[in-house]
Amino acid sequence: SQQGEEDPQALSIQEGENATMNCSYKTSINNLQWYRQNSGRGLVHLILIRSNEREKHSGRLRVTLDTSKKSSSLLITASRAADTASYFCATRITQGGSEKLVFGKGTKLTVNP
Amino acid sequence: DGGITQSPKYLFRKEGQNVTLSCEQNLNHDAMYWYRQDPGQGLRLIYYSQIVNDFQKGDIAEGYSVSREKKESFPLTVTSAQKNPTAFYLCASSRFSLRGGGETQYFGPGTRLLVL
Repeated sequence: SQQGEEDPQALSIQEGENATMNCSYKTSINNLQWYRQNSGRGLVHLILIRSNEREKHSGRLRVTLDTSKKSSSLLITASRAADTASYFCATRITQGGSEKLVFGKGTKLTVNP
Repeated sequence: DGGITQSPKYLFRKEGQNVTLSCEQNLNHDAMYWYRQDPGQGLRLIYYSQIVNDFQKGDIAEGYSVSREKKESFPLTVTSAQKNPTAFYLCASSRFSLRGGGETQYFGPGTRLLVL
C-alpha cells in the first residue's frame, strides 16, 4: 500500500471557500512536502515541513504535521479558480540505506467560479 | 531563465522499438530523477542519479535504462522490454544531499509516451 495517501481523492468547492486536503503516511519521515500539478504539467513544489515542525504558512497555504498520528493537512484559504489542480504529498523516508521522496496518489481539487 | 526542459512533449513508440526521452537542467543541481505517472496515480520512481556517472534503480526500473554523462543531462531510454510503456514521464532535479534524495525537487513539464 502507499506510504502517503491523500484524502479526499477529489474535492469540489466554490471560489472563496477554504479547501482542506489530508495526507496519511505509514513510516517515520524526515520531512513532508506538498506539490501541485496542473493537468498535463509537471509538479510544482509548494511547501516543506520538517518532522520537528508542527505548522507552517506560505501565503494562502497552511500546512500542519502531526507525527504521532502520521498525518498532515494542507489548507488553502480563500480559494480561487486558478487553484484548480491536483495536490500531492510527498514524504522523505529512508529506505535501503538511502533517502527518497515517496508521492501519494493526490487530491484533485476543483474550484468553481 | 533556469529550469528543467523535457523533450519531446509527445512521443510515439512502435512495438519492439527503443525510445529515448530527453531531460536537461540548468539549475546546477547534482541530483536528477525520472518518474512515471499513470492516470489517477501518484509518481513512481524509475531511476535516480546523485552525481555524474552514477545512478541507481528506483522502484520500477525494469524495462528502462539511463545514463548520466553530463551534470545537465539525464536521458531515459524506454526499451522494448517495457511491455506497458504508455504513461506520463516526469524528470526532476534537486540539490545534492549527502543522504540521498528527499530534498525539494524541481520538475520538468513531462513527456507523454504513447504506443502505436
